[in-house]
Amino acid sequence: KNQVEQSPQSLIILEGKNCTLQCNYTVSPFSNLRWYKQDTGRGPVSLTIMTFSENTKSNGRYTATLDADTKQSSLHITASQLSDSASYICVVSQSSYNTDKLIFGTGTRLQVFP
Amino acid sequence: DTGVSQDPRHKITKRGQNVTFRCDPISEHNRLYWYRQTLGQGPEFLTYFQNEAQLEKSRLLSDRFSAERPKGSFSTLEIQRTEQGDSAMYLCASSFKIGQGEDTQYFGPGTRLTVL
Repeated sequence: KNQVEQSPQSLIILEGKNCTLQCNYTVSPFSNLRWYKQDTGRGPVSLTIMTFSENTKSNGRYTATLDADTKQSSLHITASQLSDSASYICVVSQSSYNTDKLIFGTGTRLQVFP
Repeated sequence: DTGVSQDPRHKITKRGQNVTFRCDPISEHNRLYWYRQTLGQGPEFLTYFQNEAQLEKSRLLSDRFSAERPKGSFSTLEIQRTEQGDSAMYLCASSFKIGQGEDTQYFGPGTRLTVL
């Protein structure tokens, strides 16, 4: 079964601290892996996208890693800010020429406190 | 064009009523997707269009749901005879994909449906 699992389910950290979110997937065929940030009541916004051959990708204070052998990814947030409070969703694309399907994890709810 | 827009943002309806949502994608995006998201869960794929053609529908899309994209631009999602279980956030996303190129989906703000 194609699944994307994330941990932890929720996380509370203090402003300025770093944190790492985890994603494990069992999706085949694999095309790419994305991390999205979703603020409460808003649509998801893409942070990073990585293909099979990419191990790491950064977007400002966000750094995503991918290990395609173990089917694991992580999102590292450096020097957290209050505005980082959101849900972070790991999404794996199961793509072929004719169809695209995104399989979403349930997200990690991050709260950053001052 | 500042992004994907959806209308309305919120809809409250009584069980058994029909509702229709609209999505306006980013201009010139050829693909348009509909997702449903319930509280505490990630979005679930419902259906997608390439231009005006509906290429795939999830089994989540029961016969009470219908989606159209008549001119390959905006899309509508209609739910007939709404049930309380239809209460969710309905997200629309659009992308531009040719061949096997990357397909980054840009999401709209969603329409939150509450069925009483």
